[in-house]
Amino acid sequence: EPEVTQTPSHQVTQMGQEVILRCVPISNHLYFYWYRQILGQKVEFLVSFYNNEISEKSEIFDDQFSVERPDGSNFTLKIRSTKLEDSAMYFCASSPRLQGTNEKLFFGSGTQLSVL
Amino acid sequence: KQEVTQIPAALSVPEGENLVLNCSFTDSAIYNLQWFRQDPGKGLTSLLLIQSSQREQTSGRLNASLDKSSGRSTLYIAASQPGDSATYLCAVSSNYQLIWGAGTKLIIKP
Repeated sequence: EPEVTQTPSHQVTQMGQEVILRCVPISNHLYFYWYRQILGQKVEFLVSFYNNEISEKSEIFDDQFSVERPDGSNFTLKIRSTKLEDSAMYFCASSPRLQGTNEKLFFGSGTQLSVL
Repeated sequence: KQEVTQIPAALSVPEGENLVLNCSFTDSAIYNLQWFRQDPGKGLTSLLLIQSSQREQTSGRLNASLDKSSGRSTLYIAASQPGDSATYLCAVSSNYQLIWGAGTKLIIKP
């Protein structure tokens, strides 16, 4: 069964460093998302991406965050200058059509980011 | 602003029992409601999606109901098994993004 894959599964970085979290969505999906979950807190929406541009983003997704689909398969989340509060599990998701049209989202296993 | 609440936060039941997990939301203007399962160190697995026009969805031993007017959903698990132990998350689709509850941590005792 097709699945969303995320790498790395764990990432440790120093505060102020740049990190890139990578995701390979399901191949025929058109919509891509990043969500995050800080330990002990709810899952939060970060950004949605379609047709090579951001379609929606949350207040969390400020200027230090960026997303890119550099080729036909990868979807990346870059955090330019990490802060301690960026420590969280980051989930990538994809769907064949827009999430609001009753399409299930398929999630990856997540990248646990620890900022020291 | 949409808020999603799940009760209880944790639940422990003996194997074989039927159980109900609850989810409530404050704004009835939703596209759909989804129930997910989260296992430690693993991703989020979609279990059931109920469209806003639907009342319930069933998959195997799972049955989810939706009462949009009252802002409530339930996930019914029949004949629980130890393998059902996980955290169950409810999420509503609002403005093309998912708004999540905090989850119910379910432990099924053999």
